[in-house]
Amino acid sequence: AQTVTQSQPEMSVQEAETVTLSCTYDTSESNYYLFWYKQPPSRQMILVIRQEAYKQQNATENRFSVNFQKAAKSFSLKISDSQLGDTAMYFCAYLYSNDYKLSFGAGTTVTVRA
Amino acid sequence: EPEVTQTPSHQVTQMGQEVILRCVPISNHLYFYWYRQILGQKVEFLVSFYNNEISEKSEIFDDQFSVERPDGSNFTLKIRSTKLEDSAMYFCASSGTSGRTYNEQFFGPGTRLTVL
Repeated sequence: AQTVTQSQPEMSVQEAETVTLSCTYDTSESNYYLFWYKQPPSRQMILVIRQEAYKQQNATENRFSVNFQKAAKSFSLKISDSQLGDTAMYFCAYLYSNDYKLSFGAGTTVTVRA
Repeated sequence: EPEVTQTPSHQVTQMGQEVILRCVPISNHLYFYWYRQILGQKVEFLVSFYNNEISEKSEIFDDQFSVERPDGSNFTLKIRSTKLEDSAMYFCASSGTSGRTYNEQFFGPGTRLTVL
């Protein structure tokens, strides 16, 4: 079974600053997908960004970017110019390309301070 | 933008009762999923469903659980005899088969199930 590890239970960042969330995963597969989901206090799961393992280029979505290191099995999320609305729990998730189930990490709570 | 919807938003039930959680996936999606999240814990996969049958299920998804697509739009999760430990947030998700959203699972807002 794939394991996804998020080693930072909580992070705090000043508004407009940058924060980086770490995620590592364990897999023997070469074709897979990685995702970051945001869960605000409403508990809705919102997709933030995705990365295909076959792509070397790191994904970017506006203020969100990832640092994908396939050999190290590392997939960190950088939030630039943090906004109060970024306050949420962030989950890293793994999906094997021939599979159906997402495997989630334990989550990192991000608090953006005004 | 199309979205996954779930009803009810909150369900309270007595232990031993049956509950049915309802989901309407995104209309052109063909893969459907249920996940659950016990308060303060990680999101866990329960089951995936494609072409009117279960494609994969976790060890959590025992005989007390069942899924169904009763018509062309709804996707349901039934818990036959609820236990206290079934209290959790239940998320429905769906994904498409091609294009940019291939393998991208879109989640509904969740149903909070409380078993007393």
